[in-house]
Amino acid sequence: GAVVSQHPSWVICKSGTSVKIECRSLDFQATTMFWYRQFPKQSLMLMATSNEGSKATYEQGVEKDKFLINHASLTLSTLTVTSAHPEDSSFYICSATRASGRGTDTQYFGPGTRLTVL
Amino acid sequence: DAKTTQPTSMDCAEGRAANLPCNHSTISGNEYVYWYRQIHSQGPQYIIHGLKNNETNEMASLIITEDRKSSTLILPHATLRDTAVYYCIVRSYGGATNKLIFGTGTLLAVQP
Repeated sequence: GAVVSQHPSWVICKSGTSVKIECRSLDFQATTMFWYRQFPKQSLMLMATSNEGSKATYEQGVEKDKFLINHASLTLSTLTVTSAHPEDSSFYICSATRASGRGTDTQYFGPGTRLTVL
Repeated sequence: DAKTTQPTSMDCAEGRAANLPCNHSTISGNEYVYWYRQIHSQGPQYIIHGLKNNETNEMASLIITEDRKSSTLILPHATLRDTAVYYCIVRSYGGATNKLIFGTGTLLAVQP
C-alpha cells in the first residue's frame, strides 16, 4: 500500500517559537502533497497544496508567512508553524497523491501531528 | 467540486452490513466519488472511489446510482474497529482541482 509518515507525532512548544513538521511518502513519489488542519470535533480543513519544486498554493484565509511550506523532493514536504501561539494548537495532517492506475489519483494521509502551544 | 450530504451519525450491529448513504445531486460528469474514514486521532484512511460503475475492494463496496446523484458505501461485516467518521467526497480529477474538501461526514458507531 501507499504509506505516508509524519514526524513528530506530537509536539509541545512555548508561545513564540517555531515548529517544523515533516511529511514523507515512504514507498512512492508524490508530486503533490497537501496540508490540513483539524480542530477538536471538527472536520479537516485544507490549508495548502504543495507541488515539488514550486511555491505552495494556500487556501483563502491561511497566512502563508505563518505556515511555511517547503516541498524540496518528491518524497518530502515540510510545514513550519512560525511564531506559534496557543490558537495554532491543532492536529496537522498531510497527504500525498499517488496514481491509482484507473484514470485518477488517490490521496493517502499521514497519521497526523498534534501540536500544543503553551 | 460538488457538495455532498451525509447523515450525521449511524449505528450498526457488529457482524452486520453497514450501509452509509451519500447524496451528491450536483455531481458533474468528470467528478469521482471518494470515501475515506477517520478513526479518532488518526489521519484519514482511503477506502474506495468510483466514477459511475460499482466498485469493490477488500475493504468495502461502493454502489453508485445510475444518475450518479447518490451513492452507498457498504461494509459487508462491520467490526468494532470500523467505528469511525466516514467521509464521502466528490472531486474532479487533474490539475489544481484534485484537492479533497472534507465535509462533516457520518459517525458510524458499531455496537457489540
